[in-house]
Amino acid sequence: AQSVAQPEDQVNVAEGNPLTVKCTYSVSGNPYLFWYVQYPNRGLQFLLKYITGDNLVKGSYGFEAEFNKSQTSFHLKKPSALVSDSALYFCAVRPYRDDKIIFGKGTRLHILP
Amino acid sequence: EAQVTQNPRYLITVTGKKLTVTCSQNMNHEYMSWYRQDPGLGLRQIYYSMNVEVTDKGDVPEGYKVSRKEKRNFPLILESPSPNQTSLYFCASSSRLAGGSYEQYFGPGTRLTVT
Repeated sequence: AQSVAQPEDQVNVAEGNPLTVKCTYSVSGNPYLFWYVQYPNRGLQFLLKYITGDNLVKGSYGFEAEFNKSQTSFHLKKPSALVSDSALYFCAVRPYRDDKIIFGKGTRLHILP
Repeated sequence: EAQVTQNPRYLITVTGKKLTVTCSQNMNHEYMSWYRQDPGLGLRQIYYSMNVEVTDKGDVPEGYKVSRKEKRNFPLILESPSPNQTSLYFCASSSRLAGGSYEQYFGPGTRLTVT
């Protein structure tokens, strides 16, 4: 079955430190990969996507993500965390030649002042 | 302003009473989708639509219906709601022309409680 895994329910990072939110996927073919962020009582907002090309993708609010085909991973990163980055982060995948979108369970990111 | 709107934002209803949650987008997007968000389960896709009169099942379609008679609207219908459909529902849309990447725009959510 096709799936997306976010192995950490919660990640705590001190402000100013680098952060990583992990995502791995299991789908056939070459997928499209996405990260979304959800702030409290809000809908999801698009952060970045990988379609093809450079494995390091840059997105909104200083976030970037690294696509690793051999490890089937798409980890979200930021060099220096801000308290305002505290939110719920979702990884999502659209499998190749499929119109469904599969989301991970989400990772809650806490940035500690 | 480009947006996806959902109504109502909050709804409390009883088992078996038919309800409809509306979704509308003003971006002329081809692709529209419904998700439910539950604690510990993330977002799960209920139904999606590639264009007018074209709909397909997502991962959790049981107990739901949709229709796409107009490009901008994609209502979610619960003909006989049950308590296990208590959830936070999101509508989303995207342009099918965006290199096939389906970057989605989400509505603000509808919190449904079925008693």
